[in-house]
Amino acid sequence: EAGVAQSPRYKIIEKRQSVAFWCNPISGHATLYWYQQILGQGPKLLIQFQNNGVVDDSQLPKDRFSAERLKGVDSTLKIQPAKLEDSAVYLCASSLEGGELAGGQNEQFFGPGTRLTVL
Amino acid sequence: GQSLEQPSEVTAVEGAIVQINCTYQTSGFYGLSWYQQHDGGAPTFLSYNALDGLEETGRFSSFLSRSDSYGYLLLQELQMKDSASYFCAVMGGGNKLTFGTGTQLKVEL
Repeated sequence: EAGVAQSPRYKIIEKRQSVAFWCNPISGHATLYWYQQILGQGPKLLIQFQNNGVVDDSQLPKDRFSAERLKGVDSTLKIQPAKLEDSAVYLCASSLEGGELAGGQNEQFFGPGTRLTVL
Repeated sequence: GQSLEQPSEVTAVEGAIVQINCTYQTSGFYGLSWYQQHDGGAPTFLSYNALDGLEETGRFSSFLSRSDSYGYLLLQELQMKDSASYFCAVMGGGNKLTFGTGTQLKVEL
């Protein structure tokens, strides 16, 4: 079974530029997550999709970050314009639909991440 | 909101047993998960406790006490490859995970 795919793996940009990340979840996984992981910290949830609808985007800085999941499969996360503090690894994860349906244990499968450096 | 506390660093020798503690404060709790992350790698799932007690999976075990808002991950027969960061994470409603800051485990010869 193929895992979660992300691209690019690395990106270096200057502040105020724009950047986009792409994620392809595991086939059949209805739920997709984007996390931001700053060096030395745990992943922080930015946005969660169930199929192509947003479930939670309470921690997404909406003035500069946007995300979409067209057709309920692939997803893109965009930052426009980038700031120095956006330097981090952006992780995409996916899971089967609904913790309750999966017996309460809904493992999230993570992709390799995109390491963003903003200069 | 959620907050989790775990030690920032733990060092142990190969073959030993190590316990990584996690305490949490939460406004919505379904269970406690543990993830392992090697440097430059993706977090990978280790275990999940929804009920009080001990769950064992090979060399790794995880414990939860809901009344104490406390859990731990127990790693036995440590190997060099276990050197990694370990994160506890609270599972809230809607399958939402809130991660702790992580514990860096260093296994020495």
